[in-house]
Amino acid sequence: DIQMTQSPSSLSASIGDRVTITCRASQSISTYLNWYQQKPGKAPKVLIYAASSLQSGVPSRFSGSGSGTDFTLTISSLQPEDFATYYCQQSYSTPTFGPGTKVDLK
Amino acid sequence: EVQLVESGGDLVQPGGSLRLSCAASGFTFTSYSMNWVRQAPGKGLEWVSYITSSSNTIYYADSVKGRFTISRDNAKNSLYLQMNSLRDEDTAVYYCAREHITMVRGVSLFDYWGQGTLVTVSS
Repeated sequence: DIQMTQSPSSLSASIGDRVTITCRASQSISTYLNWYQQKPGKAPKVLIYAASSLQSGVPSRFSGSGSGTDFTLTISSLQPEDFATYYCQQSYSTPTFGPGTKVDLK
Repeated sequence: EVQLVESGGDLVQPGGSLRLSCAASGFTFTSYSMNWVRQAPGKGLEWVSYITSSSNTIYYADSVKGRFTISRDNAKNSLYLQMNSLRDEDTAVYYCAREHITMVRGVSLFDYWGQGTLVTVSS
């Protein structure tokens, strides 16, 4: 199985901050990488697919980059509704998720 | 509107069995592969199982292989997960999720999720 890691595991940020979350795969997955946002008590919601494509309806402040083993999710200007946990997920083989990054208010 | 509604979660003793259901609506169920994904309390997401639209191909996570069985009834627009020999570590919210194949190199993603159903394994 392909293992996914994320850093940091949590971060504190203020409204308007630029936030960057990193995801690493245990082997090359090309751009078979998706990002999800999950709020407490809710199902995950896809933000970015294929490493850098914005899912329909997702605000443009979210962006993704990377290929191979190293990927990044960036929120250009953090908004109140962005406080949540973010997961990366590889779809190169049987799916695996990263452990998550919790973004909370500083 | 796409809707996925899970049901069947309950409190069950270790070694027991449970069958989860997921009722799909708002899309052509027969055109999509489906998945189960679970989340233990306070933990991250774990993919559990996958089934193609025609049930021809099925995959399981190693953690559930031999104990869980995924199936679907396309006439009823429903997805199922039969869970046997349940263990404490199977305690989780179980989500059904639709797989969408994108136009970008065929990358797949989980584009719609249900609200989840809670399975608690405890004596």
